[in-house]
Amino acid sequence: QITLKESGPTLVKPTQTLTLTCTFSGFSLSTGGVGVGWIRQPPGKALEGLALIYWNDDKRYSPSLRSRLTITKDTSKNQVVLTMTNMDPVDTATYYCAHRKSTSDFDYWGQGTLVTVSS
Amino acid sequence: ETVLTQSPATLSLSPGERATLSCRASQSVSSYLAWYQQKPGQAPRLLIYDASNRATGIPARFSGSGSGTDFTLTISSLEPEDFAVYYCQQRSNFITFGQGTRLEI
Repeated sequence: QITLKESGPTLVKPTQTLTLTCTFSGFSLSTGGVGVGWIRQPPGKALEGLALIYWNDDKRYSPSLRSRLTITKDTSKNQVVLTMTNMDPVDTATYYCAHRKSTSDFDYWGQGTLVTVSS
Repeated sequence: ETVLTQSPATLSLSPGERATLSCRASQSVSSYLAWYQQKPGQAPRLLIYDASNRATGIPARFSGSGSGTDFTLTISSLEPEDFAVYYCQQRSNFITFGQGTRLEI
């Protein structure tokens, strides 16, 4: 059974760096074809893809946010970490992590974590 | 960036009716198009991947079609639990989502 859970701060101040952790079980990020992605959703708005990391450490980023994002994995801990620098109130959103295979789409999602950016 | 445009923004139907949702890509995404369903307070659920393949456990009333730039999600006979927001997503060029179609009673 695959599960994912996001953790991190619920409130950050403008200009701060956000660090979110996705802790998962039921699969390994050392298995060929497996990846984990981060997706966010501002309140009442659409989904937005942020970053992806694959079993072979291939990393992909949203072109519009690339300069602010870093995604890493710790295979031994079954965790994927996303950092986003220079946070702004427009970054207020629910942040999700999700499992995918390189030949498919996001088939398992975490419950999401709401991050509010405010001074 | 590949932009996905969904139509209509809102679709008002009744249980038992047929729903047809559209997604148009700004450039070809081949068949790398997925559909998700999202209910309030929940994470999205994968319905269709690679344009026409139902994900595990998805009822047969959900079907997808299309390739290139034009895609359709069809729900053959609406059940009460199908009223939700639906997003399309492409994985040909990183990942982008459409703006969603709200399916309401």
